[in-house]
Amino acid sequence: AQSVTQLGSHVSVSEGALVLLRCNYSSSVPPYLFWYVQYPNQGLQLLLKYTSAATLVKGINGFEAEFKKSETSFHLTKPSAHMSDAAEYFCAVGRGGGNKLTFGTGTQLKVEL
Amino acid sequence: DVKVTQSSRYLVKRTGEKVFLECVQDMDHENMFWYRQDPGLGLRLIYFSYDVKMKEKGDIPEGYSVSREKKERFSLILESASTNQTSMYLCASSFYLQGTSVNTEAFFGQGTRLTVV
Repeated sequence: AQSVTQLGSHVSVSEGALVLLRCNYSSSVPPYLFWYVQYPNQGLQLLLKYTSAATLVKGINGFEAEFKKSETSFHLTKPSAHMSDAAEYFCAVGRGGGNKLTFGTGTQLKVEL
Repeated sequence: DVKVTQSSRYLVKRTGEKVFLECVQDMDHENMFWYRQDPGLGLRLIYFSYDVKMKEKGDIPEGYSVSREKKERFSLILESASTNQTSMYLCASSFYLQGTSVNTEAFFGQGTRLTVV
């Protein structure tokens, strides 16, 4: 069965610092991997997705993620944090047919001045 | 602009009431989903529908049912609301690529925060 683990339920960075949010996956088949962001009192919005076309995936708002099969990881990064990046971030893995997703438990990102 | 609309942002219901959460999408998507979001647990799939009148149980279907009479509308029903169903409920939809197992992007509604008292 497919699953994802997000390390760190809360991450705090200074404005302008590197953002690194960790996600490790478990999948018996080549995975489809996603990062979603949720701003306060909002639904989820897709940041980026991995579909095996390229291991480095670029998303919206300057975020990117690298698929590393040997490490079963799909960590999310952004070179320079902005106050507007404060939100909750979810990693998810596709569960085969039907587009069902298994989500991680989420990482709350705080950006400080 | 793609849109998934949930009928209510906030709901307060009494224990034992029958509760309907409505979701409409305007993208002609085949797949629709109901997730429940709780702090520290992420999102968990309650039910999934891949076509009109078709449904499949997710990971936590107990205490819930669904209805999909039209392609654009997917309803979540709490048959007899209980306090442990107090949560944020998120509806989503996605496009199905025929004959493949490709996972396409899911589009989410704004969520309904349900409180059962």
